[in-house]
Amino acid sequence: EAGVAQSPRYKIIEKRQSVAFWCNPISGHATLYWYQQILGQGPKLLIQFQNNGVVDDSQLPKDRFSAERLKGVDSTLKIQPAKLEDSAVYLCASCPTGVRSDTQYFGPGTRLTVL
Amino acid sequence: AQSVTQLDSQVPVFEEAPVELRCNYSSSVSVYLFWYVQYPNQGLQLLLKYLSGSTLVKGINGFEAEFNKSQTSFHLRKPSVHISDTAEYFCAVIFMEYGNKLVFGAGTILRVKS
Repeated sequence: EAGVAQSPRYKIIEKRQSVAFWCNPISGHATLYWYQQILGQGPKLLIQFQNNGVVDDSQLPKDRFSAERLKGVDSTLKIQPAKLEDSAVYLCASCPTGVRSDTQYFGPGTRLTVL
Repeated sequence: AQSVTQLDSQVPVFEEAPVELRCNYSSSVSVYLFWYVQYPNQGLQLLLKYLSGSTLVKGINGFEAEFNKSQTSFHLRKPSVHISDTAEYFCAVIFMEYGNKLVFGAGTILRVKS
């Protein structure tokens, strides 16, 4: 069974530029999550999707971050414009259960550096 | 507010020695508990989880953890570590009264020395 795929693996941009990350969850997983992991901290949930609907985006900085999962499969996370403090690893995870999560399966992450 | 505390940021240990990584969480009526491991440049991998039942949970790679409700702890243990166990370990909790999202601790880097 293929795991959660993410691309790109690494990205370096200047502040005020925009960037997008892509995630392909495990086939059949209805729930998808995006996390931000700043160096030295644990992952923090940004947004949770159930199929193509948003379940929780309470910690997403909506003035600059956006995410979509149009067909309930792949998802993209965008930052526009980026700030220095957005430097982090962005993790995507998926889960086979419904709204109540049990085991989340994580992708390798995208490491973003904002200069 | 819900929080997860991993008391040690780094734990150095010699190969074949026992190790305990500590995790405490803010008091809550009902929780699900998890330990994840992260190897360099890789995603998080589930080591073990507690949902209900026996408070002693066994996971992959010889790790186990014990849920202590009165002390709101979920410490991870291994009786004999290997060099390959060098990684970062994250404790995570679902606080059921606040929905179903995972709240992570800051992580503990386990460094196994030969």
